[in-house]
Amino acid sequence: GIQVEQSPPDLILQEGANSTLRCNFSDSVNNLQWFHQNPWGQLINLFYIPSGTKQNGRLSATTVATERYSLLYISSSQTTDSGVYFCAVEGRTNAGKSTFGDGTTLTVKP
Amino acid sequence: DADVTQTPRNRITKTGKRIMLECSQTKGHDRMYWYRQDPGLGLRLIYYSFDVKDINKGEISDGYSVSRQAQAKFSLSLESAIPNQTALYFCATSPRGYGYTFGSGTRLTVV
Repeated sequence: GIQVEQSPPDLILQEGANSTLRCNFSDSVNNLQWFHQNPWGQLINLFYIPSGTKQNGRLSATTVATERYSLLYISSSQTTDSGVYFCAVEGRTNAGKSTFGDGTTLTVKP
Repeated sequence: DADVTQTPRNRITKTGKRIMLECSQTKGHDRMYWYRQDPGLGLRLIYYSFDVKDINKGEISDGYSVSRQAQAKFSLSLESAIPNQTALYFCATSPRGYGYTFGSGTRLTVV
């Protein structure tokens, strides 16, 4: 099946800093999603982005499907951005089901 | 009410017991999924269903079974629970071609 690698595994920032999280995948994709898991375990869908760029407030994401990667940008980080960020990818050969990376754990310090 | 509701939220059970985790949704989505999350890892797919009559195994289905009772309900059963099934279990739904909505999760401990 498709392989999904996220980097870095851990990231520590001061409040107000910017960050870039990366997701690499091994095959062509039908779709790609970014999720935030908060410290209470809840999973929130941030972006559905099989290609192109999307923005939502301080967060934006870009997927370059031909080069098999996606980036999640967080600007002016806040302590509430802390948690784990997951990339989930649906490969062309596994239609309808997504494979998750191991996540990037972000800690934003006040 | 939440769009995707999982019950129970927390459960402790003994080795060898049968346990059922339930998921219901009000979003009208055809597709439903059960994932498992272990500490420090991503989510792994246990079972998924594209409609009531279409149920498929995921990458870690051994020791689990599912039932899609209706479009809105998808239950996961552990036939004989074992300690290494201790994990956080998530149900998700999606319409075709769109992103997932997750439930709040069930934290299961097998002792």
